[in-house]
Amino acid sequence: GQQLNQSPQSMFIQEGEDVSMNCASSSIFNTWLWYKQDPGEGPVLLIALYKAGELTSNGRLTAQFGITRKDSFLNISASIPSDVGIYFCAGLAGSSNTGKLIFGQGTTLQVKP
Amino acid sequence: DAGVIQSPRHEVTEMGQEVTLRCKPISGHDYLFWYRQTMMRGLELLIYFNNNVPIDDSGMPEDRFSAKMPNASFSTLKIQPSEPRDSAVYFCASSFWGAAEAFFGQGTRLTVV
Repeated sequence: GQQLNQSPQSMFIQEGEDVSMNCASSSIFNTWLWYKQDPGEGPVLLIALYKAGELTSNGRLTAQFGITRKDSFLNISASIPSDVGIYFCAGLAGSSNTGKLIFGQGTTLQVKP
Repeated sequence: DAGVIQSPRHEVTEMGQEVTLRCKPISGHDYLFWYRQTMMRGLELLIYFNNNVPIDDSGMPEDRFSAKMPNASFSTLKIQPSEPRDSAVYFCASSFWGAAEAFFGQGTRLTVV
């Protein structure tokens, strides 16, 4: 079946540093999504990408939809302690109303003040 | 809006018992999704509904699992009989338009002993 390879698995960085994580697949996706999950909570959508090559920002977060449709990356600039959490990428192969999101395994981010 | 509401937040049950998880989606959302999260398999879609009708239940692991949506404001996920390998966090999510941009509930942590 379809799989997403998310890397790195975990990161431990100093406050103020920039962070980059990515997601890759052997399959083509038409939508890429990035979520953040805090302990004991459900995932929260950070950024949605709908077009190959699209670059979208949300505050200090920037994400891109790879031109091949097989990958995406998320950057966080000037990290702060509240950025701690697990970040998931997710891809949707069909149109956005078909319902079947495939999730990556997550990147655990820890930020040292 | 209070967001997607799931109950209970935690459930501990003995193997063989019936377990019912409940979800109240965000008012006005036409799509409802049930996901399961484990360390081994990550986040997986179990089933989703559109306008209270099950559309894709291919992720439901076995006949022991069943889901219903009797009306637009309520859904249940039932496991009967439960087994220790069903232990996981179960999330309900809802959206106005498809899988992209769905809002997740806080999840139900199920432990089967």
